[in-house]
Amino acid sequence: NAGVMQNPRHLVRRRGQEARLRCSPMKGHSHVYWYRQLPEEGLKFMVYLQKENIIDESGMPKERFSAEFPKEGPSILRIQQVVRGDSAAYFCASSATLYRSFSGNTIYFGEGSWLTVV
Amino acid sequence: AQKITQTQPGMFVQEKEAVTLDCTYDTSDQSYGLFWYKQPSSGEMIFLIYQGSYDEQNATEGRYSLNFQKARKSANLVISASQLGDSAMYFCAMREVYNNNDMRFGAGTRLTVKP
Repeated sequence: NAGVMQNPRHLVRRRGQEARLRCSPMKGHSHVYWYRQLPEEGLKFMVYLQKENIIDESGMPKERFSAEFPKEGPSILRIQQVVRGDSAAYFCASSATLYRSFSGNTIYFGEGSWLTVV
Repeated sequence: AQKITQTQPGMFVQEKEAVTLDCTYDTSDQSYGLFWYKQPSSGEMIFLIYQGSYDEQNATEGRYSLNFQKARKSANLVISASQLGDSAMYFCAMREVYNNNDMRFGAGTRLTVKP
């Protein structure tokens, strides 16, 4: 009964390189959320996706960041031309339902991907 | 827009004592859920407790209870009989039903349990 799987857990990139973070939601979940956590800060919402659709990207930086959730395969958060300020933990979460059925179990987090830009 | 406020950057508590972590929120929605998560030094996010906006009773989960005061828009977490393993960051979060469906987090409170 696999939970939300994120990889890689740790990623080191030089400035200017690209970073790709992957997230496989829980089985049966079609809603994926990405969050960023800077050191000593809370989680900041980045983007909410359903299969093949971006529903809300209000938290995404306007440049260099993109996200997708294809019909097949994991969700990808892509950061182009990384800078030191992109160093953070990136958390993915998934849920099965959109409305109602609210309980604490409706959204599940992965263990996070730690990006370090050197 | 949603806003979650945790006013305590850091808290200390003696082992076996109770501690309250504060959380206030702001929403115009009537239907929402409130959550608390624990993040130990290993980094993962661990769900602790949930309170629905229409729930009349305060939520409890083992040593965790949520002091929900809807009129004041507060959802404080109470940890009873603190243990050394409770030392971690604690995040309050809210999710609205009909507006955006993502979960928004407070800045967190770092709890340190002293032996």
